[in-house]
Amino acid sequence: DVKVTQSSRYLVKRTGEKVFLECVQDMDHENMFWYRQDPGLGLRLIYFSYDVKMKEKGDIPEGYSVSREKKERFSLILESASTNQTSMYLCASSYETAYNEQFFGPGTRLTVL
Amino acid sequence: DQQVKQNSPSLSVQEGRISILNCDYTNSMFDYFLWYKKYPAEGPTFLISISSIKDKNEDGRFTVFLNKSAKHLSLHIVPSQPGDSAVYFCAASVSGTSYGKLTFGQGTILTVHP
Repeated sequence: DVKVTQSSRYLVKRTGEKVFLECVQDMDHENMFWYRQDPGLGLRLIYFSYDVKMKEKGDIPEGYSVSREKKERFSLILESASTNQTSMYLCASSYETAYNEQFFGPGTRLTVL
Repeated sequence: DQQVKQNSPSLSVQEGRISILNCDYTNSMFDYFLWYKKYPAEGPTFLISISSIKDKNEDGRFTVFLNKSAKHLSLHIVPSQPGDSAVYFCAASVSGTSYGKLTFGQGTILTVHP
């Protein structure tokens, strides 16, 4: 069974803190993605990775960075958390095929105070 | 620039009736479309997809229709059930490129009343 796990379901951090969100997939997928979901805005792509150590900016990369040292693990880093980064963060992965269904993790609800 | 739009933020339907969720896109390069369903506190799960070489795809109670000339797709749920109450996202991609990137709409909250 397909499995994408995220390190925390709920997280509360203070403004200025460095925040790490971890995602692990067990499907040997090449592609991994980080989104944030906000009401009325849908899912917006922050960063994605198509191979180990490879990364590409998505639509809203400002204030975020990522790391992919192993194929199964993709980390999202908030260098200095701000209140406007309070959101639901979703990780996804997919095979590198012509038709790409993405599989999502359960999400991390991050609150920055 | 919102390339995929779901203009109805919410939809309310009676159990047993049809639910129709709509989605419009602007990028004519999109050729593969997906619908996802999301319950609160869970990640989105894949529901159904359609390639641009088709105009209809069916899977049980769920049917997706694609009108390429109008750049419009819709998801029909018949009959609707209370368990279908969730947020529905449409997504679009250009197949074979862009490392499988999907562009999502804003989502439509479906409520099915018993």
